[in-house]
Amino acid sequence: EVQLVESGGGLVQPGGSLRLSCAASGFAFSDYGMNWVRQAPGKGLEWISYISSSSKTIYYADSVKGRLTISRDNAKNSLYLQMNSLRDEDTAVYYCASQTLYSFGPLDYWGQGSLVTVSS
Amino acid sequence: QSVLTQPPSVSGAPGQRVTISCTGGSSNNGAGYDVHWYQQLPGAAPKLLIYGNNIRTSGVPDRFSGSRSGTSASLVISGLQAEDEADYYCQSSDFSLSGSEVVFGGGTKLTVL
Repeated sequence: EVQLVESGGGLVQPGGSLRLSCAASGFAFSDYGMNWVRQAPGKGLEWISYISSSSKTIYYADSVKGRLTISRDNAKNSLYLQMNSLRDEDTAVYYCASQTLYSFGPLDYWGQGSLVTVSS
Repeated sequence: QSVLTQPPSVSGAPGQRVTISCTGGSSNNGAGYDVHWYQQLPGAAPKLLIYGNNIRTSGVPDRFSGSRSGTSASLVISGLQAEDEADYYCQSSDFSLSGSEVVFGGGTKLTVL
């Protein structure tokens, strides 16, 4: 059974930093691209970043470029999101999601999400 | 503002059929890239419902169907049931000079009357 479990969320002050983790199991993590998607309270889904299986290809949404960094450790079956210079508008539930069906395909498995609250 | 446009809400009575549209531009689903649909029940993570425009994921009832034509895609739910009440999102890929992005529609809230 595929499982994606996010951790690391919490309350952080504006300008602060936080690192999210996503532990993957039940599939060949090192073979597939991974994504982070966030959802602000009461709002829709916003894709924020993608990393290829080898980490050679990385994309970011314009809204987070320069502040958020995606990375992965295939030996640990883990995905990460380093968030710096956090703003109020970064408050959201952050989901990790896999793309195992085909390249640039659907986000087929999702974690349960990790809530990040940016507030003073 | 989302790259893909969905109606904010739709509603229908049990047993009825509803359609949720998803309209994109020339750089995403209008360029021929696949459209995928997700269902998000209240308080839960999104779940992939349909991918590749019209392929249901395992366990999804055949009451759910998807289609795409030109710059538009649609999700049709037939024989509406109370448990279908959820938010639905379409998703495609957007290839621009800066690379490839995943793009979502703004979401459609389905209310079962």
